[in-house]
Amino acid sequence: EPEVTQTPSHQVTQMGQEVILRCVPISNHLYFYWYRQILGQKVEFLVSFYNNEISEKSEIFDDQFSVERPDGSNFTLKIRSTKLEDSAMYFCATTGRDTDTQYFGPGTRLTVL
Amino acid sequence: AQSVAQPEDQVNVAEGNPLTVKCTYSVSGNPYLFWYVQYPNRGLQFLLKYITGDNLVKGSYGFEAEFNKSQTSFHLKKPSALVSDSALYFCAVRPKGTNDYKLSFGAGTTVTVRA
Repeated sequence: EPEVTQTPSHQVTQMGQEVILRCVPISNHLYFYWYRQILGQKVEFLVSFYNNEISEKSEIFDDQFSVERPDGSNFTLKIRSTKLEDSAMYFCATTGRDTDTQYFGPGTRLTVL
Repeated sequence: AQSVAQPEDQVNVAEGNPLTVKCTYSVSGNPYLFWYVQYPNRGLQFLLKYITGDNLVKGSYGFEAEFNKSQTSFHLKKPSALVSDSALYFCAVRPKGTNDYKLSFGAGTTVTVRA
C-alpha cells in the first residue's frame, strides 16, 4: 500500500537556524498539507498546497514558514529562523482525486534548542 | 469555524470487551468526519470516515463509528477490543461542500486494552 514518507524522522537545531522538512507524497496525489502537533496538544493545520500554490494557511503559518514542491515529487516545509516554540511533530498529509481522505506521513520531530 | 471534542483523555478496557471512544463536533453545515489512530512513533493512520449515506460506517481493523446528527456525535466503537488496539485515537472534522479541506482535530484519546 502506498505511503507518505517524511525525512528526517528527527531534527535537532539551534534557535535561529533554518530547517527544511521533506515529504514524499503518494504518487498521483494532488493536494498537500502540513500539520503540526506540539507535545501534549492537538494536531493543528498549518497550510494546504495545490497546483503549486498555497490554497489556505493558518495564522500559525507566518512569514517564517514557506512551502514548495521543488522537483515535482518532494513537498517541503521550510522554517527560516526557528524559535523554541517551533518544537513539535510536523506531519505531512496528501490526498488524491478523492479529496476527502488525507493520508499522513510518520512525522518529523523537530527540536529547537 | 469547526471544532472537535473528545471528552475522555483515556479509555481503559479489558481485552474482549467492547470499546467506545467518544467524539462530538461543531461545524457550519454538514460535516465530513474522520477517525485516525496513532501508534507510538508512527504517523496518523486513517481508520474510517463518514461522508454521506448510512450513519453506521465500518472501517479498518474491525472498527466502526456511528454518525448522529442530532447529537453531533461520531463515536468510534469496536465490539471486542484487542491488546493491539492500544493507541492514541483522533477524531477530525471538516465542512462538507466547501473548498475548506483542512481537518480540525480533537485532543485525542489514549486507549489502553489490558490482557
